[in-house]
This record gives sequence, C-alpha cells and structure tokens, in this order.
Amino acid sequence: GQNIDQPTEMTATEGAIVQINCTYQTSGFNGLFWYQQHAGEAPTFLSYNVLDGLEEKGRFSSFLSRSKGYSYLLLKELQMKDSASYLCAVTNNDMRFGAGTRLTVKP
Amino acid sequence: EPEVTQTPSHQVTQMGQEVILRCVPISNHLYFYWYRQILGQKVEFLVSFYNNEISEKSEIFDDQFSVERPDGSNFTLKIRSTKLEDSAMYFCASSSPPGANVLTFGAGSRLTVL
Repeated sequence: GQNIDQPTEMTATEGAIVQINCTYQTSGFNGLFWYQQHAGEAPTFLSYNVLDGLEEKGRFSSFLSRSKGYSYLLLKELQMKDSASYLCAVTNNDMRFGAGTRLTVKP
Repeated sequence: EPEVTQTPSHQVTQMGQEVILRCVPISNHLYFYWYRQILGQKVEFLVSFYNNEISEKSEIFDDQFSVERPDGSNFTLKIRSTKLEDSAMYFCASSSPPGANVLTFGAGSRLTVL
C-alpha cells in the first residue's frame, strides 16, 4: 500500500520562501511529483523527482531522498497567486496523491 | 498547448441513474486515467487504461464503474446506479511515457447526485 503525508495548511508572506514537506511509504517507487491545484480547478504539474537531490525550476525547487521517503517543495519569492493547494504524488504502477497542503500567501 | 477536454463540466442526476462522463485525452498520449475528488478531500485514483484495457484500478473502482474507449479519441467513465456519495469532481488525465510519467489533467466534470 501507500501512505503519503503532508501538512494540511501553511501560511506565508508575499516575497518570502516556504518549504512544503512530504513523507511517503510505498511498496514500489517510480518517481515523486508535485502538483499545484487552485480551488475548483484541475491539478497542474510543477515538478518531478526520481533520483535523490534537488531539481530547480524557476521559483520552484523540489528535493527527494528515497532512503528517507522524504521530499519537499520549495517556493521562493512568493506571490499572491501562489495561494493554492500543493499535492505530493508518488508513482508506482499508478499515481497516488497526498491530501495536499493548502498554502495561503498574505500581503 | 495540447489539453485534455472533459464533458460535461457539471451534471446533476437523481440517485439510481446512470451517468457517462466523457474525456478526450491529448492525441498522442497512450495512457488514460480517471480520478475523483470529493469536495474538500484528496484526489483519489480510480483507474488507469492502456492498450484498450484496464492497467490498474483502486478499491473504489468496483462493479458500479466501467471505462471504455469507444473510438480513437474518446475515453469514458460510466457510473451505474449513482449514489449520493458519488457526488464529486471527476478528473480525466492522460500521459505519454517513456520518461517522467507526467499526467495532464482535464478541467473536471462535477457530478451532483440528488
């Protein structure tokens, strides 16, 4: 089976940096994904890690440690439009999502 | 940019009725998926489909549900004898491995069962 844990809610200030953690336990592993989901909308792809280390993509970076079953998503220079849910997802034979972290960016 | 399209965007139905949700995946994608999201809850995997057959399905995907690719472009989810608890947003997604199996999601079909 799979178990994916992430904090339910986080709050941060515009212009700041925020780190959203994700821990997982899975019987098989083919990669870890981060998706962004605004309220009432579909998830959209942010990043993908399959090997240990940091992947950087503009203001967003994602880190993976397979031995620790741990990932984080780092958002820099936060903007108001970054207020959304951030979903950690793990793939084995299919993609399973965590419950998501609802991020609120305040002025 | 290629997109996954879903119809209808919102459907209201009476309990016990059958519902068909339709999806047009991205044209060169080979893998298709259905997920559901009950309001305020997480995105839940239902089923994946490849080469005209189900690849994986979750415990949620019981005999009430079925999927079909009736032609070269459509991918449908049928829900028989709907229940109140089937009310949710249903997302279709598609992907094209090899490499990172990035799923592209459609905008969703909101199902309300009364």
